[in-house]
Amino acid sequence: AQSVTQLGSHVSVSEGALVLLRCNYSSSVPPYLFWYVQYPNQGLQLLLKYTTGATLVKGINGFEAEFKKSETSFHLTKPSAHMSDAAEYFCAVSDQGGYQKVTFGTGTKLQVIP
Amino acid sequence: NAGVTQTPKFQVLKTGQSMTLQCAQDMNHEYMSWYRQDPGMGLRLIHYSVGAGITDQGEVPNGYNVSRSTTEDFPLRLLSAAPSQTSVYFCASRTTEGVFGVTQYFGPGTRLTVL
Repeated sequence: AQSVTQLGSHVSVSEGALVLLRCNYSSSVPPYLFWYVQYPNQGLQLLLKYTTGATLVKGINGFEAEFKKSETSFHLTKPSAHMSDAAEYFCAVSDQGGYQKVTFGTGTKLQVIP
Repeated sequence: NAGVTQTPKFQVLKTGQSMTLQCAQDMNHEYMSWYRQDPGMGLRLIHYSVGAGITDQGEVPNGYNVSRSTTEDFPLRLLSAAPSQTSVYFCASRTTEGVFGVTQYFGPGTRLTVL
């Protein structure tokens, strides 16, 4: 069984400050890891994903995440927050094999304060 | 490509009524799924399909039915609506498998209120 834990259901940062959204996963097999973003009243869209290879993954809108196997973590960061980053962010994990069933975390709402 | 489309965007039902949420995709994806999103609970999988004629249950299937007669369409039926089914429903599609991991494409959602 696989699971995802997102620490902090709400995170507030000042515009221009570092964004750090935490995600820890549990998986009995090597995982694929994802971050999705949901803007108000919209569906989810992929920010970035880790499959194999380089553990630092760059995504859209200046976000990046680092896969740390020893810490079972996949935290999302952005050096400087922008007002348009205000959204809900979901971490997700899937198996590498079979139908790659995806399990989502409970989400973190990011508030950016001007 | 329109991607994943869902109708309706909003719906209000009375307890006991039935309805169908429509979902369609034009990306020829084999895998389609339905999720519900509730505050503080993330997305929970209701039902999924790995191809036309093949469906299976997710983690919260009770009270919902699905069918997959074509690759493009994957409707979700509420048999007898209950207030506990008040939620936002998302349909998603993706390729079945890939060495680079799958990316899910989500529809815009249907906001359902059951009174």
